[in-house]
Amino acid sequence: QKEVEQDPGPLSVPEGAIVSLNCTYSNSAFQYFMWYRQYSRKGPELLMYTYSSGNKEDGRFTAQVDKSSKYISLFIRDSQPSDSATYLCAMSEFNAGNMLTFGGGTRLMVKP
Amino acid sequence: DTAVSQTPKYLVTQMGNDKSIKCEQNLGHDTMYWYKQDSKKFLKIMFSYNNKELIINETVPNRFSPKSPDKAHLNLHINSLELGDSAVYFCASSQEDRGFYGYTFGSGTRLTVV
Repeated sequence: QKEVEQDPGPLSVPEGAIVSLNCTYSNSAFQYFMWYRQYSRKGPELLMYTYSSGNKEDGRFTAQVDKSSKYISLFIRDSQPSDSATYLCAMSEFNAGNMLTFGGGTRLMVKP
Repeated sequence: DTAVSQTPKYLVTQMGNDKSIKCEQNLGHDTMYWYKQDSKKFLKIMFSYNNKELIINETVPNRFSPKSPDKAHLNLHINSLELGDSAVYFCASSQEDRGFYGYTFGSGTRLTVV
């Protein structure tokens, strides 16, 4: 079993829909939780990060962390065709410095 | 102006060959990385360098050798290439900010071994 599990999709939604992307993890030492977006043939780019539990909002994006359930989510409101990409969750331990553990990514397609 | 640039973008080569991938960052970051992304999109760390010093070396065959001539450059040399080395290799850099390391990735080098 991988340390971080993510449904690979693809997830296909109509434009304007609310999208929910999720990851589960097994390592209770993870403290930083990140979401990266990766367009086809490009490198991942950091969308948002949260430290420990709670919510964080940035425009149309909301990240949620539930450490008790070892479950994190990314919500995208009013989804746009330009949101079509692969979304990767990533996590790190506070004292492990800079090593990230990634999920396998969920491919999202937003249809106009 | 590209923040993390790696060359080449595409590399097709025969089994047994030796090849290098170069990476440069102009962000002034202290830490650089090599990650491998397989066909299922899993990104796995290979190496991490901080100020030219190797700090993470995951279980990677010793045919892979990183080299950091200065903190802005991290190259990856691969000897005796095998079919299983086919993947996309990403270089990244980061700077620590209150315990958090936000990565900036390059666009990747798509390596195909035939």
